[in-house]
Amino acid sequence: AQSVTQLGSHVSVSEGALVLLRCNYSSSVPPYLFWYVQYPNQGLQLLLKYTSAATLVKGINGFEAEFKKSETSFHLTKPSAHMSDAAEYFCAGSGGYNKLIFGAGTRLAVHP
Amino acid sequence: GAGVSQSPRYKVAKRGQDVALRCDPISGHTALYWYRQSLGQGLEFLIYFQGNSAPDKSGLPSDRFSAERTGGSVSTLTIQRTQQEDSAVYLCASSAYNEQFFGPGTRLTVL
Repeated sequence: AQSVTQLGSHVSVSEGALVLLRCNYSSSVPPYLFWYVQYPNQGLQLLLKYTSAATLVKGINGFEAEFKKSETSFHLTKPSAHMSDAAEYFCAGSGGYNKLIFGAGTRLAVHP
Repeated sequence: GAGVSQSPRYKVAKRGQDVALRCDPISGHTALYWYRQSLGQGLEFLIYFQGNSAPDKSGLPSDRFSAERTGGSVSTLTIQRTQQEDSAVYLCASSAYNEQFFGPGTRLTVL
């Protein structure tokens, strides 16, 4: 069965520092992969998606992610954190009927 | 343009009550999904609609949960005889081109 694992339920960085949120997937066939962000009391907003067109995917708000088949990883990065990046981030893979299979989420805190 | 809307945004129910949660998808999106977000279980898939049909109901946790979609548009998720463990945020998403657009969710609290 396909699964998505996010390492680290909480990540804390300083403003201006590199953001790295880790995601590994388990699948016999590279799926579609997604990163979503959730701000308090809001729904999920798509940051970026991998659909096999390119291994390095650029998303909104300066985020990007690299698909590495050899490592079954799809880590999310941003070179310089901003206070407004504080939120919860979810990695997801697509299952049957394109339903999303989510990781447990990583809460990102950004401190001055 | 209009996104996915859900109503009510907040719902408090007494244990044993029935509740109905509504989702209005983006116009023209034929695919619609329901998910549940709870502290203990994270984000879980509940049900998938293509048009008015639900080819995948595998995520519905019990027969107290049901959903329908009419006119290929509005969907209603119904929970009968609510239990405390049903307390969660219920998210709806409509989809086009392999991208899902989420509504703000309905926060259900069962007392």
